[in-house]
Amino acid sequence: QKEVEQNSGPLSVPEGAIASLNCTYSDRGSQSFFWYRQYSGKSPELIMFIYSNGDKEDGRFTAQLNKASQYVSLLIRDSQPSDSATYLCAVFTSYGKLTFGQGTILTVHP
Amino acid sequence: GAVVSQHPSWVICKSGTSVKIECRSLDFQATTMFWYRQFPKQSLMLMATSNEGSKATYEQGVEKDKFLINHASLTLSTLTVTSAHPEDSSFYICSARDPGQGGREQYFGPGTRLTVT
Repeated sequence: QKEVEQNSGPLSVPEGAIASLNCTYSDRGSQSFFWYRQYSGKSPELIMFIYSNGDKEDGRFTAQLNKASQYVSLLIRDSQPSDSATYLCAVFTSYGKLTFGQGTILTVHP
Repeated sequence: GAVVSQHPSWVICKSGTSVKIECRSLDFQATTMFWYRQFPKQSLMLMATSNEGSKATYEQGVEKDKFLINHASLTLSTLTVTSAHPEDSSFYICSARDPGQGGREQYFGPGTRLTVT
């Protein structure tokens, strides 16, 4: 079992729709969870972090965390073509390492 | 967020030569920096954790004699790829946490694309 799992996609949504990205993790002791956006050929950019169960909203982005289910998600509202990128879920595990999922490729088509 | 820079952004070198990549934290002091490698269409793989004033901690399978890491100051870590070979061609990215912001968020530099011919 991978430590952090994501559906690799590609996930394709129309412009203006909600994109939903999901991630599960195996280390129950993990406390910090992050979403990075990576454009092709570029390095990852931190877009959201969440530490407590529930929802956290920042602009068009909402991160959701459910520690009991070991599940974290990212919702992107009013998706734009500029949101097309690979989204990496990262988990700071109980043994002190930031572990990344394989990433989900998101395509927003006009 | 915290700003991390890298230099150079890309480099081409001949097989057998060495290449040094610099990583700097611009607006904070980083006692710990991280070096990652990313091959095309793959996720980030942690290579090593760089600690200021002490030896780096390497991940399993990473040759410490080939990938030399030096963290001589609180704002600079360097990665030297020694005797580079074509299979070392990759995207190398450093990152750091800003202790002034709680230390949990990790920010990445822009990356260095290495091509070994």
